[in-house]
Amino acid sequence: DQQVKQNSPSLSVQEGRISILNCDYTNSMFDYFLWYKKYPAEGPTFLISISSIKDKNEDGRFTVFLNKSAKHLSLHIVPSQPGDSAVYFCAAITGNQFYFGTGTSLTVIP
Amino acid sequence: DSGVTQTPKHLITATGQRVTLRCSPRSGDLSVYWYQQSLDQGLQFLIQYYNGEERAKGNILERFSAQQFPDLHSELNLSSLELGDSALYFCASTTGDNYGYTFGSGTRLTVV
Repeated sequence: DQQVKQNSPSLSVQEGRISILNCDYTNSMFDYFLWYKKYPAEGPTFLISISSIKDKNEDGRFTVFLNKSAKHLSLHIVPSQPGDSAVYFCAAITGNQFYFGTGTSLTVIP
Repeated sequence: DSGVTQTPKHLITATGQRVTLRCSPRSGDLSVYWYQQSLDQGLQFLIQYYNGEERAKGNILERFSAQQFPDLHSELNLSSLELGDSALYFCASTTGDNYGYTFGSGTRLTVV
């Protein structure tokens, strides 16, 4: 059973607009969440993380929001740039266990 | 169960030894990726196989090797183990490059 879900396999956004990538999870014991970005034929690179005791973390154009009551995580990219086109994974950690979503492919249209 | 099976779940071994990690991809997936997750370096891409052939190589040490067999399961071989090789090793499978990644639950390797 998938404990971390990314229900949108793909997303297209116009350059300069906001990209919102969503992630849902089932385990209330997750204590840390991460977002990774992956280009084709490369490995994922770490983007941004958030502790379960926070509800928002911001780093430049990237902001992650955590809604624990809804068990929902989202990554906002503002403004979106063509170089942001990639696959984005969310991941959740409890103890020493990592759980990954299946990824959302973001395309930013110039 | 995500559909990707990794064995063993935990492995403790001594420095200088050799271990083999196994990954069975989700049914129908031809591509297998191996990743190393360590506390200080995050998720590092090691290598990708597609239908038995090496497709891409990342930060994989010469002491490490991998292969994908005709039944599509993959093995990651780690030799001359060092303390710094202690990490979580994940495999993921997919049918394509841009969607449908499924990660296994990982193998936790501890080198003592």
